[in-house]
Amino acid sequence: AQTVTQSQPEMSVQEAETVTLSCTYDTSENNYYLFWYKQPPSRQMILVIRQEAYKQQNATENRFSVNFQKAAKSFSLKISDSQLGDTAMYFCAFIYNYGQNFVFGPGTRLSVLP
Amino acid sequence: DVKVTQSSRYLVKRTGEKVFLECVQDMDHENMFWYRQDPGLGLRLIYFSYDVKMKEKGDIPEGYSVSREKKERFSLILESASTNQTSMYLCASSPLLAGVHEQYFGPGTRLTVT
Repeated sequence: AQTVTQSQPEMSVQEAETVTLSCTYDTSENNYYLFWYKQPPSRQMILVIRQEAYKQQNATENRFSVNFQKAAKSFSLKISDSQLGDTAMYFCAFIYNYGQNFVFGPGTRLSVLP
Repeated sequence: DVKVTQSSRYLVKRTGEKVFLECVQDMDHENMFWYRQDPGLGLRLIYFSYDVKMKEKGDIPEGYSVSREKKERFSLILESASTNQTSMYLCASSPLLAGVHEQYFGPGTRLTVT
């Protein structure tokens, strides 16, 4: 079975500091994609960052970057210079089978404190 | 921008009622998905569809059915609502394109069954 684990149900960080959210997954697939999604309070879920499993280079999107360790099946998200608007639920997910199988983790609730 | 809309943000129904949740996307995506989101469990896939009139069971299809008569519209049906179906329901869509796999989410419907 394919699974995603996020071991930190809740985290907090001071504004302007850096925080890392952890994610591990288990799969027997070779071709897959990994994602971090953000769900702000009472708002729509949006994509933060994506990583192709066949790429060794870690993906970055402005203040968001990932540490992808394929052998360890680890995919952590680093948020630099945290902002109040980063307060949200963050979900790690991976997808396989040409986009028709999506597995989500349980989520990490991040609070950015002023 | 991709837009995924859901018919209701909040819905209250009584046990035993038939419930329809509707989802519409405007980007001509082939794939559409229904998830339920519960605290500590993340998103769990109920059903997905990769084409008109096609459907596949997800991880938790029991008590639900779906309908996809038009490409842009995907309906989730609770034949006889029960209290354990109280949850947040999220619809998503994605294109069937090589290298493009992220899902786009609707705002969600918070269903309460009393």
